[in-house]
Amino acid sequence: GNSVTQMEGPVTLSEEAFLTINCTYTATGYPSLFWYVQYPGEGLQLLLKATKADDKGSNKGFEATYRKETTSFHLEKGSVQVSDSAVYFCALSDPGAQKLVFGQGTRLTINP
Amino acid sequence: DGGITQSPKYLFRKEGQNVTLSCEQNLNHDAMYWYRQDPGQGLRLIYYSQIVNDFQKGDIAEGYSVSREKKESFPLTVTSAQKNPTAFYLCASSFTGPLGYEQYFGPGTRLTVT
Repeated sequence: GNSVTQMEGPVTLSEEAFLTINCTYTATGYPSLFWYVQYPGEGLQLLLKATKADDKGSNKGFEATYRKETTSFHLEKGSVQVSDSAVYFCALSDPGAQKLVFGQGTRLTINP
Repeated sequence: DGGITQSPKYLFRKEGQNVTLSCEQNLNHDAMYWYRQDPGQGLRLIYYSQIVNDFQKGDIAEGYSVSREKKESFPLTVTSAQKNPTAFYLCASSFTGPLGYEQYFGPGTRLTVT
């Protein structure tokens, strides 16, 4: 079945550091890929998405590129801020099932 | 303002009582979902509904029930049969448009059962 694997957390960085959170997937067909962010005590917010191979999703300085050859969708940001501290979830959608499959989440803490 | 509303934000119940969590959306989305999140864990799908008067079990449906009588509403009942009901519950809705499938979440309800 479809699955998503994220890098183990927690991840702790200093402000202005470069961020990468790895995400790989297993899927049949051609899923869409997503990154969601969850701030403490809140629901998930859609951060960015990509719907086909080589698409790049971007939002608020975050980027991720849909790499079909490596089945990956790594999240990157060039210079993180304290306000980026949150839990980040990678997910894929099975076009036929109208559902999302989530990774386990990666907790990110940015220190000033 | 379009969005997904969950109420209340915090809910406390005694063991052995059923409790119903509310979820309302005014986004005109056809599909709605309920997830459970435990501390430090990912999301687990409880139930989902792709159309009014129809719903399907997710991965952890035991001890839960839902109804979908209106497009805007998808209440979740946590029954006394749910062995470990204390958790953060998230409701979501989705649509498929020109840019593909997207799913949006409500703010969540934190249920504590003692």
